[in-house]
Amino acid sequence: NAGVTQTPKFRVLKTGQSMTLLCAQDMNHEYMYWYRQDPGMGLRLIHYSVGEGTTAKGEVPDGYNVSRLKKQNFLLGLESAAPSQTSVYFCASRGTSGKGGREPQYFGPGTRLLVL
Amino acid sequence: LAKTTQPISMDSYEGQEVNITCSHNNIATNDYITWYQQFPSQGPRFIIQGYKTKVTNEVASLFIPADRKSSTLSLPRVSLSDTAVYYCLVGPGTALIFGKGTTLSVSS
Repeated sequence: NAGVTQTPKFRVLKTGQSMTLLCAQDMNHEYMYWYRQDPGMGLRLIHYSVGEGTTAKGEVPDGYNVSRLKKQNFLLGLESAAPSQTSVYFCASRGTSGKGGREPQYFGPGTRLLVL
Repeated sequence: LAKTTQPISMDSYEGQEVNITCSHNNIATNDYITWYQQFPSQGPRFIIQGYKTKVTNEVASLFIPADRKSSTLSLPRVSLSDTAVYYCLVGPGTALIFGKGTTLSVSS
């Protein structure tokens, strides 16, 4: 199992450019998440999905869009990148045990994005 | 979601036991308490989860008092490799909030 993978690992964008970050998981997990992490800020939830075809907003959704067309993939899009979106982006997935919040989240290695 | 409060940072020496306490005064009946560990340049990693009393695994122990308004993560005999950020999360599980965590620095 590869677990959770993220593509790309690093990217430099110019202000106003668009890009899509890809997250893939091979654990057949229902839930998937996108976080951003800035120095001294911990992880902040951008969007998440509780199943194929569904998405929901997290703490900081503005400026981002997501799609979950396939169960194993969760895409994060930046339509018009801004310097404030310079950050490290982490994707995570979680299974469901039917027993409440007992399943842990598994994280990908992160994508470093620099917006100039 | 229940709000959590934990120390910003802690220092320790190799071989010592480290206890990190998290306060969650408004924890709900169906909330679990989960701890994650994050090394620099990596995503967080699940350490331990509990609902009440004590939970122990090969990495750590989690102590939860009867009122569940706080919890303590205990790391026995830490080493330099335990230097990391530790996050306490409380909730039913769908969309947990990480916060800033506790930065643990272990020295020799």
